[in-house]
Formats: sequence, C-alpha cells, structure tokens
Amino acid sequence: KAGVTQTPRYLIKTRGQQVTLSCSPISGHRSVSWYQQTPGQGLQFLFEYFSETQRNKGNFPGRFSGRQFSNSRSEMNVSTLELGDSALYLCASSLVYGGTGEQYFGPGTRLTVT
Amino acid sequence: AQSVTQLDSQVPVFEEAPVELRCNYSSSVSVYLFWYVQYPNQGLQLLLKYLSGSTLVKGINGFEAEFNKSQTSFHLRKPSVHISDTAEYFCAVNAFSGYSTLTFGKGTMLLVSP
Repeated sequence: KAGVTQTPRYLIKTRGQQVTLSCSPISGHRSVSWYQQTPGQGLQFLFEYFSETQRNKGNFPGRFSGRQFSNSRSEMNVSTLELGDSALYLCASSLVYGGTGEQYFGPGTRLTVT
Repeated sequence: AQSVTQLDSQVPVFEEAPVELRCNYSSSVSVYLFWYVQYPNQGLQLLLKYLSGSTLVKGINGFEAEFNKSQTSFHLRKPSVHISDTAEYFCAVNAFSGYSTLTFGKGTMLLVSP
C-alpha cells in the first residue's frame, strides 16, 4: 500500500506571496492532520480534517488554512508569507478520526520563504 | 493540556553499545504514547506505540519502550545500536480527547559513531 504523499517536496517563495501544499493520505485513511516543523519550535500541530470538515485547529494565525476533499486528499494554504513560515510541513493520515491518534507521516514539503 | 519532555537533546553513543532515550509526559487524562524516528530530509516513521495492555512494547529495528504510569515516562531503549540508527527520535502523546492530535517532544538526536 502506498504511503502518504506530499507535493511539492521543495518550494521557494517570496515574502507576501501565498502557497498551497497538497497531501494524499494512505488509501482508506480518512483523517488528515498537518504539522509544522521548525528548528526553534519543533513539531507543532496545525489542523486536522475528517469528512471534509476541520475538526481541530492549532494555535496558528488565520493566514494558515486548509481543506479536505471528498476523496480525503487535503490541501493547506498559507497566505501573505512571512520569513518565519519557512519550515518543513508534514502531513499525516490516520484510519479513523480520533481513536488512538496513531498517524502515518508523509515526507514533508520544505518551504523556504525569502 | 498535555506536554512532552525529552530530557536529552543529543545522545552520543558508540556502535554496538546500548542506548536509552528518555521521555516524560504530563497530562490530566490518560494518553496513548508513540515514538517516531526521523532520518535526514525525511518525514516521521512510527517506531512503536503504547495503546494499552503490556507496559513493555516492541517496535521496529530492535527498539522497545516501557510505559511507566506512576513516573509518567515512556523511555525508548535498544540493546545494541548500529550506525544506521543515527537519526532524530520524537516522543509523542495523544490524550483521550477525541482528536487525533499528537503533542510532540522537542526530539533527541541519536549520534552513533564507530
């Protein structure tokens, strides 16, 4: 079974631009979560989607948004990029919503903002 | 709210030596516990998990961890490490909250030298 895929793997953007990242979960997995990883803050939860609805949200500004499609694929969007948004963005999928929290991660999208 | 403390940011060890990576958590409710490993430029790979039952859990690559409820700890151990175990290791918890959200520790870099 294929794992979680994320596209693109690398991205360079300029301050003020916006960006969209994509995530395809493991086949059959219906819940998708997003995390931001930086050297200073570590791994921080962004949001979780299930059945096309945002179920939980982390402490990030409104510039960060996401959505989930009927096939469970998910996208996240960051508008008005800031230098501090440079990070590895990780998508994770799980079989069910809630449950034990057991999640499987994709390789991430490395976003660099200049 | 819950939190995770990984007591060592870096653990240097010689090949074939035993290693223990420490993890303590804080939560007002019961939790599920996980260890993930991250190799350079990759996503997170699930090493092992404690959901219920036996407090000693075995994972991939010869790793094991012991859940100690009274000490709120979930330390990761391996009796004999290899060069290929060099990576960053993350301890994570999911509280019985109904969400899949994981709270991560800051990570421990395991450096195995010959």
